Amino acid sequence: RKEVEQDPGPFNVPEGATVAFNCTYSNSASQSFFWYRQDCRKEPKLLMSVYSSGNEDGRFTAQLNRASQYISLLIRDSKLSDSATYLCVVNRLDTGRRALTFGSGTRLQVQP
Amino acid sequence: SAVISQKPSRDICQRGTSLTIQCQVDSQVTMMFWYRQQPGQSLTLIATANQGSEATYESGFVIDKFPISRPNLTFSTLTVSNMSPEDSSIYLCSVKAMGTAYEQYFGPGTRLTVT
Repeated sequence: RKEVEQDPGPFNVPEGATVAFNCTYSNSASQSFFWYRQDCRKEPKLLMSVYSSGNEDGRFTAQLNRASQYISLLIRDSKLSDSATYLCVVNRLDTGRRALTFGSGTRLQVQP
Repeated sequence: SAVISQKPSRDICQRGTSLTIQCQVDSQVTMMFWYRQQPGQSLTLIATANQGSEATYESGFVIDKFPISRPNLTFSTLTVSNMSPEDSSIYLCSVKAMGTAYEQYFGPGTRLTVT
């Protein structure tokens, strides 16, 4: 079983739609959680950290459910520029490392 | 966030040769990492580059194949040795953001093709 699992998509949505991605992680020792965005042929860029109480950044809302070990990302009022691959990322403390484990990504295509 | 550059941005290399990739950061950072992203795949951590000591490699990656140097707090190199077509990939360095626990920022990547 992969440590971080995501639905690869693609999610094809019209402009203005609301879309949600889920991600599950297998290791309960995971401590920090992030969503990264990766455009085609570009490096991943940090979209937002995910906090236990949930957090919002403009049109983006992230939620964490530790009991069920899943993370979600909600995008409201989708824009064409939101088209990208969204990577769910976790960090584990038990190994003493500060490196990140990446999911395989969910591809979003926003259509006019 | 730190500005990270990598050289070369891309290269085409022959089987059996080696390539050294450089990662330069515009400010001192405590931690630097090297990742690989194979075609159509997500990122996989190769190693943590430790300043002044040997890198810490992940399972499946060895120093003889991927030697890493980190002579100071702003620079690191990754060498891909004795290359084969299976090494064709994007290689990315990342740094831990100052003042945060785990957030990382990535360089633009080096696109390697081995023929």
